[in-house]
Amino acid sequence: QVQLQESGPGLVKPSQTLSLTCTVSGGSISSGGYYWSWIRQHPGKGLEWIGYIYYSGSTYYNPSLKSRVTISVDTSKNQFSLKLSSVTAADTAVYYCAREYQLHPYNWFDPWGQGTLVTVSS
Amino acid sequence: DIQMTQSPSSLSASVGDRVTITCRASQSISSYLNWYQQKPGKAPKLLIYAASSLQSGVPSRFSGSGSGTDFTLTISSLQPEDFATYYCQQSYSTPGTFGPGTKVDIK
Repeated sequence: QVQLQESGPGLVKPSQTLSLTCTVSGGSISSGGYYWSWIRQHPGKGLEWIGYIYYSGSTYYNPSLKSRVTISVDTSKNQFSLKLSSVTAADTAVYYCAREYQLHPYNWFDPWGQGTLVTVSS
Repeated sequence: DIQMTQSPSSLSASVGDRVTITCRASQSISSYLNWYQQKPGKAPKLLIYAASSLQSGVPSRFSGSGSGTDFTLTISSLQPEDFATYYCQQSYSTPGTFGPGTKVDIK
């Protein structure tokens, strides 16, 4: 059974870069048919999809964050990572990694990591 | 982006009640609609995909219906472990967008 686990600093200073890693266990990130995603949830709010990466390295980002987001993959470590630059307090959120499962033509997020709270504050 | 709305935003119900949550898309999304359950401090959990397909391991008291712009999640007999927030999500176009959630709490 595939499991995902986020890791990274819980506190980031304004204007700096938020960096998180998602480690995948129980399955290979290189197996086709899945997109590896980042999703965030502002405190007490709804869910916002940030972007995804395929094992080949192709990416797609939410246009609202595209200028600040980079998602990368390390297949040798079975990990994918998120970088969000120039953060402000508005980027304070719980960040989730998730597998986007595709069963043509449909797709959905399953499973999810447990989430990690990142606070932007000086 | 496709906008998703949900109603009600919250509801109070008793164990054994039949509960219905509605999700509406700002444009037709065919059956590209998923439902998730989220409990406090936990990650969302997939319940229903493709509008009406029950995810493996999810109790049969959960069901989904609808197509086009209007969708429904029904819990046929609410159980204590079902008190949570429920989100719909469209996967018709990228970025996949989520509804604002419906919180189900104890009456």
